[in-house]
Amino acid sequence: GDSVTQMEGPVTLSEEAFLTINCTYTATGYPSLFWYVQYPGEGLQLLLKATKADDKGSNKGFEATYRKETTSFHLEKGSVQVSDSAVYFCALRPNTGGFKTIFGAGTRLFVKA
Amino acid sequence: EADIYQTPRYLVIGTGKKITLECSQTMGHDKMYWYQQDPGMELHLIHYSYGVNSTEKGDLSSESTVSRIRTEHFPLTLESARPSHTSQYLCASRGSETQYFGPGTRLLVL
Repeated sequence: GDSVTQMEGPVTLSEEAFLTINCTYTATGYPSLFWYVQYPGEGLQLLLKATKADDKGSNKGFEATYRKETTSFHLEKGSVQVSDSAVYFCALRPNTGGFKTIFGAGTRLFVKA
Repeated sequence: EADIYQTPRYLVIGTGKKITLECSQTMGHDKMYWYQQDPGMELHLIHYSYGVNSTEKGDLSSESTVSRIRTEHFPLTLESARPSHTSQYLCASRGSETQYFGPGTRLLVL
């Protein structure tokens, strides 16, 4: 079945460091791909998305490129801030008529000043 | 900006009490979902709905029940709360593409 695998956390970085959070998926066809962010005590917020191969989603300095050949959607940011400390979830929505969005287990990011 | 609301945001209750967690959305979405999540951890789908008068159990077994009498409203009820129900409950809705989440209800059962 469809699944999402993302790197285990926690990831700890210093402010202004480069961030990569790896995400790979298994799905039939061309699913839509998403990154969500969850700040402490809140629900998930959509960070960015991509709906077809080679699309790049971007928002608030974060980017992710839909790579069909490697079935990946890695999240990157060039310079993290303390305020980026949160849990990041990679997700896919199958394009085969599936009802559910499939979420990864989440990766916690700590950014130190 | 997603318009999906959950009340209460925090709830502390005693064992055996009946509770209802409210979820409302103003986007006209047919599909709605309830997830259970220990804070910052993996999401577990416990209920979903295709539309009015449609409800289904999710991947994680739950003693809670849901109803969908109106498109915008998807409440979750626990008839008799227990300490094992202590968790965060997230409601979500989806139109054609993107799933949007409410802010969550943090439940503590003593």
